[in-house]
Amino acid sequence: TQLLEQSPQFLSIQEGENLTVYCNSSSVFSSLQWYRQEPGEGPVLLVTVVTGGEVKKLKRLTFQFGDARKDSSLHITAAQPGDTGLYLCAGRGETSGSRLTFGEGTQLTVNP
Amino acid sequence: KAGVTQTPRYLIKTRGQQVTLSCSPISGHRSVSWYQQTPGQGLQFLFEYFSETQRNKGNFPGRFSGRQFSNSRSEMNVSTLELGDSALYLCASSLEALGTDTQYFGPGTRLTVL
Repeated sequence: TQLLEQSPQFLSIQEGENLTVYCNSSSVFSSLQWYRQEPGEGPVLLVTVVTGGEVKKLKRLTFQFGDARKDSSLHITAAQPGDTGLYLCAGRGETSGSRLTFGEGTQLTVNP
Repeated sequence: KAGVTQTPRYLIKTRGQQVTLSCSPISGHRSVSWYQQTPGQGLQFLFEYFSETQRNKGNFPGRFSGRQFSNSRSEMNVSTLELGDSALYLCASSLEALGTDTQYFGPGTRLTVL
């Protein structure tokens, strides 16, 4: 069974601060996705990383996939209150088809 | 293009009852996956359907079942409801059942079992 450990579980910061969320596993994933979920809604895809060592930037968000494709990180620069939400990492195994294994999630609160 | 729709959005049932949840994928998408989200367990994979066939199944008891119709719409059924089945049930659709396809999630059905 593939597991994804996500940390921290909760994060409360002030507007303008930087933060990093980590997603780690002992398993290799063919790809890893990061989602953001608002209360009462389904997860919305932010990015997919596929290649080991890959770095993708989405405005103030930087996503990195580990060289061995077992871990990933999400870094937010100068966080804003609009960044508040539940951030989820999800990995797709090399033989699992469409099945995603999700991390526990990081509840981020950015205070004005 | 309309997104993934799920009905109903909210549902209250009592223990022992059964429930059917519905999911309409994005037009043209042929793969539908179902996930259960709870505060304690997070998002857990239930099953995946592609072209009316179950392609993948998670570690849930047989009380949880699903099906997919020829128009790709999917339903999941939970029989003999237990308190622990209270959760947000999410449906996700993708174009094909390939490992590289992006999954798009619906808003979910919030099931409360009393």
